[in-house]
Amino acid sequence: KNQVEQSPQSLIILEGKNCTLQCNYTVSPFSNLRWYKQDTGRGPVSLTIMTFSENTKSNGRYTATLDADTKQSSLHITASQLSDSASYICVVGGSYNTDKLIFGTGTRLQVFP
Amino acid sequence: DTGVSQDPRHKITKRGQNVTFRCDPISEHNRLYWYRQTLGQGPEFLTYFQNEAQLEKSRLLSDRFSAERPKGSFSTLEIQRTEQGDSAMYLCASSNQWDSNQPQHFGDGTRLSIL
Repeated sequence: KNQVEQSPQSLIILEGKNCTLQCNYTVSPFSNLRWYKQDTGRGPVSLTIMTFSENTKSNGRYTATLDADTKQSSLHITASQLSDSASYICVVGGSYNTDKLIFGTGTRLQVFP
Repeated sequence: DTGVSQDPRHKITKRGQNVTFRCDPISEHNRLYWYRQTLGQGPEFLTYFQNEAQLEKSRLLSDRFSAERPKGSFSTLEIQRTEQGDSAMYLCASSNQWDSNQPQHFGDGTRLSIL
């Protein structure tokens, strides 16, 4: 069964600190892995997208890594800000033809001052 | 960039009523997707269109659900005889078939509440 699992489910950190979110997937075939940020009541917004040949991708303070051999990915957030409070969803693209996405349940991050 | 637009943002209705949602994708995108998201979960795929053709439907899409994209531009999702379990956020996304490694762009969804 195609699955995307994320940990932790929720995380609380202080403003300015770094954090790392984890994603494990069992999706075949695999075309790409994406990280999305979703604010409460809003649609997901893309942060990074990586194909199997890429092992790291940065977008400002967000850095994603991918290990296609172990089927693991991480999202590292540097110098967190209050606006980083959101759900972060790991998403795997399982088909080159349809771009059908398989979503994890997300990690809920709260950044406190 | 006008983004993906969904209307309405919120819909409250009584059980048994029919509801229809609209999605306007990014104009140059030929693929359009519908997802359903319940509280604390990630979005689940419902169906997708390439131009006006509906190419795939999830088993989640019961006979009460129907989606259309008549001219290959905007799309509508209709739910007939709504049930309590239909309460969720319905998200629309669009992408370009020829940029397979570009992200799907999501709208802000329609939140459906069934009384």
